Amino acid sequence: LAKTTQPISMDSYEGQEVNITCSHNNIATNDYITWYQQFPSQGPRFIIQGYKTKVTNEVASLFIPADRKSSTLSLPRVSLSDTAVYYCLVGGDNQGGKLIFGQGTELSVKP
Amino acid sequence: DAGVIQSPRHEVTEMGQEVTLRCKPISGHNSLFWYRQTMMRGLELLIYFNNNVPIDDSGMPEDRFSAKMPNASFSTLKIQPSEPRDSAVYFCASSFDQGATDTQYFGPGTRLTVL
Repeated sequence: LAKTTQPISMDSYEGQEVNITCSHNNIATNDYITWYQQFPSQGPRFIIQGYKTKVTNEVASLFIPADRKSSTLSLPRVSLSDTAVYYCLVGGDNQGGKLIFGQGTELSVKP
Repeated sequence: DAGVIQSPRHEVTEMGQEVTLRCKPISGHNSLFWYRQTMMRGLELLIYFNNNVPIDDSGMPEDRFSAKMPNASFSTLKIQPSEPRDSAVYFCASSFDQGATDTQYFGPGTRLTVL
């Protein structure tokens, strides 16, 4: 399973765009990149998933360069309620759906 | 849909006692996952099932831990005997299938404290 590296913590202010980058140098050809969000005292929640280029949904965008060795989660105009831990995961179907959660990035949004 | 249901939400027990955590996955989901979260070790996958069959239990810490899934709508994680180092939040998650592209839906967790 590919190892992921992401910043331990980030600070931001309300209304700003936040970009969290994850490194996954050993990503395999059939691996997908998935991001989860976890609020205190809750289970993680799926945010977005992609394989290459750019993916956008109502919550976030995911940018994946051509070499796929990194990915960037972009949260537009964050609010206080976006304060959470964000996990980057890499995995493929040949691992049977097994996802390894790293330490995540603790995002703190301030007023 | 009610989402993944876990019980109890909180459990306090004494060392040596048996603990049973319960999970009801989302109806129609074929895969079920048990995770443990602590400050020191983060979120760890303990075991997961597909179509009620255990697929990977390599994360189960030791023989004191066991998990079952007798049917598609129920799973248990048992710790016998429990130890203080088992104190953690235990999450159950389910997904439609076991592929990496299948979104996992997590329950609210069970906070276990072993005294």
